[in-house]
Amino acid sequence: KQEVTQIPAALSVPEGENLVLNCSFTDSAIYNLQWFRQDPGKGLTSLLLIQSSQREQTSGRLNASLDKSSGRSTLYIAASQPGDSATYLCAVMSSEAGTALIFGKGTTLSVSS
Amino acid sequence: DTEVTQTPKHLVMGMTNKKSLKCEQHMGHRAMYWYKQKAKKPPELMFVYSYEKLSINESVPSRFSPECPNSSLLNLHLHALQPEDSALYLCASSSPQTGNFGYTFGSGTRLTVV
Repeated sequence: KQEVTQIPAALSVPEGENLVLNCSFTDSAIYNLQWFRQDPGKGLTSLLLIQSSQREQTSGRLNASLDKSSGRSTLYIAASQPGDSATYLCAVMSSEAGTALIFGKGTTLSVSS
Repeated sequence: DTEVTQTPKHLVMGMTNKKSLKCEQHMGHRAMYWYKQKAKKPPELMFVYSYEKLSINESVPSRFSPECPNSSLLNLHLHALQPEDSALYLCASSSPQTGNFGYTFGSGTRLTVV
């Protein structure tokens, strides 16, 4: 059964730091991996989608990489800002679950000014 | 239009009430989903509709009844809920017909059962 793990569970950094969030999954038979951001009490905002054939995707200060063979993805945030404070969720679309997403428990990021 | 719209944003209902949650998208996506999210937990899948047909029901109690009247609209009918059903209910859509499969989520309905 596919399981998704995110490390760390929480992270506090000062403004301006570069940081890396980690996501691992147990079954490499995935269609894609998607990173989301969630503000408290709000819905999920898609940040980056990496198809299984891709190695990385970039959007502004965000860069996500995918190593399917080792079951790992990282989300790199450059020059962090207080507005980046949120929970970041990693999710995989796995062949065992059709088009349903399997989520990790998230990393809660706090960026102080 | 690149949004998934959910209404209402907040709902308080008694255990004997019947209510419905609504989700709408006009992106031409042919897969739509209901997820339930409790505080400080990741979203949990409830239902998947693919091409307007129910394809996955994750052993959800019958007090939750999904409906997909057309390719743009998804409803979740609620009846005789319990206080433990209080949660954020999220709707999402994706585009299996293009092979993209990237999800777009709505902003959710915050449900409180009293």
